[in-house]
Amino acid sequence: QVQLVESGGDVVQPGRSLRLSCAASGFTFSSYGMHWVRQAPGKGLDWVALISYDGSSKYYTDSVKGRFTISRDNSKNTLYLNMNSLRAEDTAVYYCAMSQGYLPHWGQGTLVTVSS
Amino acid sequence: DIQLTQSPSFLSASAGDRVTITCRASQGTNNYLAWYQQKPGKAPKLLIYAASTLQSGVPSRFSGSGSGTEFTLRISSLQPEDSATYYCQQLNTYPWTFGQGTKVEIK
Repeated sequence: QVQLVESGGDVVQPGRSLRLSCAASGFTFSSYGMHWVRQAPGKGLDWVALISYDGSSKYYTDSVKGRFTISRDNSKNTLYLNMNSLRAEDTAVYYCAMSQGYLPHWGQGTLVTVSS
Repeated sequence: DIQLTQSPSFLSASAGDRVTITCRASQGTNNYLAWYQQKPGKAPKLLIYAASTLQSGVPSRFSGSGSGTEFTLRISSLQPEDSATYYCQQLNTYPWTFGQGTKVEIK
């Protein structure tokens, strides 16, 4: 069955960087687009970024453009989110999700806390 | 960006009640609209996609309808396990966006 396992969440100071990973299994990773979605504590869902199955297309929400980079390594079945210039408002649980046009499969999430 | 507004933000109903949640979009979504259920501490679960298609494994008491800019999620007979927050999402235009959520409480 589809499994998505995020890692890399941590407590970091404002302005610092962090890289999240999402290890995928149970499906042909290289055939599907992948997304990052985040959720600030006690708040709603916030779509962050998408990468196409082959990495050739990427889309971002405006608030992370120029700071976050989504990437993937199909040889390792792994999705990444490189986050630079982190802000307090980036504090959230970050979920990776597999795209089938919609988001039927999600990981359990990893918590990023940006605080001095 | 397409804004999605859900109503109500909170509802309390009894087991067996019929429940309706509405999602209004600031512009058309070509029916690229999904509904998710999220329980505390858990990842969202896809319930409905393409506005009205039930995701595999989701109980038939859940249904979706609507078109254009107004969409509805209905639970025909509310069950205790349906206590959760429900989100609509548009997938027509990047950036994809979610509604603010509707928290459903069982009386």
